[in-house]
Amino acid sequence: QKEVEQDPGPLSVPEGAIVSLNCTYSNSAFQYFMWYRQYSRKGPELLMYTYSSGNKEDGRFTAQVDKSSKYISLFIRDSQPSDSATYLCAMSKGAQKLVFGQGTRLTINP
Amino acid sequence: GAVVSQHPSWVICKSGTSVKIECRSLDFQATTMFWYRQFPKQSLMLMATSNEGSKATYEQGVEKDKFLINHASLTLSTLTVTSAHPEDSSFYICSAPQVGPRTDTQYFGPGTRLTVL
Repeated sequence: QKEVEQDPGPLSVPEGAIVSLNCTYSNSAFQYFMWYRQYSRKGPELLMYTYSSGNKEDGRFTAQVDKSSKYISLFIRDSQPSDSATYLCAMSKGAQKLVFGQGTRLTINP
Repeated sequence: GAVVSQHPSWVICKSGTSVKIECRSLDFQATTMFWYRQFPKQSLMLMATSNEGSKATYEQGVEKDKFLINHASLTLSTLTVTSAHPEDSSFYICSAPQVGPRTDTQYFGPGTRLTVL
């Protein structure tokens, strides 16, 4: 079993829809949770960062962490074609070494 | 957010040659940097941890003599792919962490696409 599981998709939704991306993990020692967006042939870009459990909102993006269920989510409201990318969840125990999910390929159709 | 640069952004080389990739943290110092490789449609695979002033730490299965890492300063790490072969063709990405109280994030460079002919 992988430490971090993420559905690779692909996921295709119409413009304006709410997108929900999720990851589950098995190691309860993870404390730092991140979502990265990666466009084709580019490096990952940090979107959201959460420490421990809770919600965090930044514009159209909301990140949720439920440590009791070992489940993290990223919601994108009013999705735009420019949001089309691969979204990677990542987490760490605090020793800087990140463990990534497989990444979900998302397409927003105009 | 913090900025990490990589150079070159892409490189094509002949089999058997060596290629050096630079990773720089532009607006902060990093005693540690990470090197990843990514194959098409796959996630990032950590290759090694670059440590300023000491030897790099390699992940299991990564050949340290093939992938030479030098962390020359607090803002520069280099990855040299020695005697490159076509199977080394991949997307190489570095990252640098920003760590503080309740903070443990990494900022990634734009990546270097290596093609070995």
